Amino acid sequence: QKEVEQNSGPLSVPEGAIASLNCTYSDRGSQSFFWYRQYSGKSPELIMSIYSNGDKEDGRFTAQLNKASQYVSLLIRDSQPSDSATYLCAVNPPGTYKYIFGTGTRLKVLA
Amino acid sequence: NAGVTQTPKFQVLKTGQSMTLQCAQDMNHNSMYWYRQDPGMGLRLIYYSASEGTTDKGEVPNGYNVSRLNKREFSLRLESAAPSQTSVYFCVTQSGGREATDTQYFGPGTRLTVL
Repeated sequence: QKEVEQNSGPLSVPEGAIASLNCTYSDRGSQSFFWYRQYSGKSPELIMSIYSNGDKEDGRFTAQLNKASQYVSLLIRDSQPSDSATYLCAVNPPGTYKYIFGTGTRLKVLA
Repeated sequence: NAGVTQTPKFQVLKTGQSMTLQCAQDMNHNSMYWYRQDPGMGLRLIYYSASEGTTDKGEVPNGYNVSRLNKREFSLRLESAAPSQTSVYFCVTQSGGREATDTQYFGPGTRLTVL
């Protein structure tokens, strides 16, 4: 099992819909979780971080964390074509300086 | 405030050539990292430096060396480039080290092709 797993996609959603991106991780002790957005040819940029079970909202983005089930998700409400990108999930295992990244999910928002 | 800068942005090497990728940050961050990104493989950690004067191997260190010259600069050297090292290389900084609220900040990347 990979340490951080994501469906590679592409996930296609119509403009205005909710996009749901999922990520599972293997280290049960992990406490820090991050979502990055990466446009083609660009570097990843942090869009959400979450550390506690439950939901965290920031504008159109909601991160959801369930440590018991070892998954973290990202919801994008009112999806826009400009949201079309690859979304990377990252996990910081406990007691380490390292971040483990998933391979990313490619999102396509159709106008 | 430039954040994280990387040079060069693009590079083409022939097999066996050497080169050094430079990274500098003005964010006063302790930790710095080198990742490579390949299609289907995601981001893989090559080396990291938790603080000035220390370096440690990541997931894929073979064929690379690093130097943490000072708090600002962290360089990655390819001594004898191989086609398998064709990739996009990202330098990344992190504010602390192992704090739960630390986050990572990416440089713009270096696109390296080894022929």
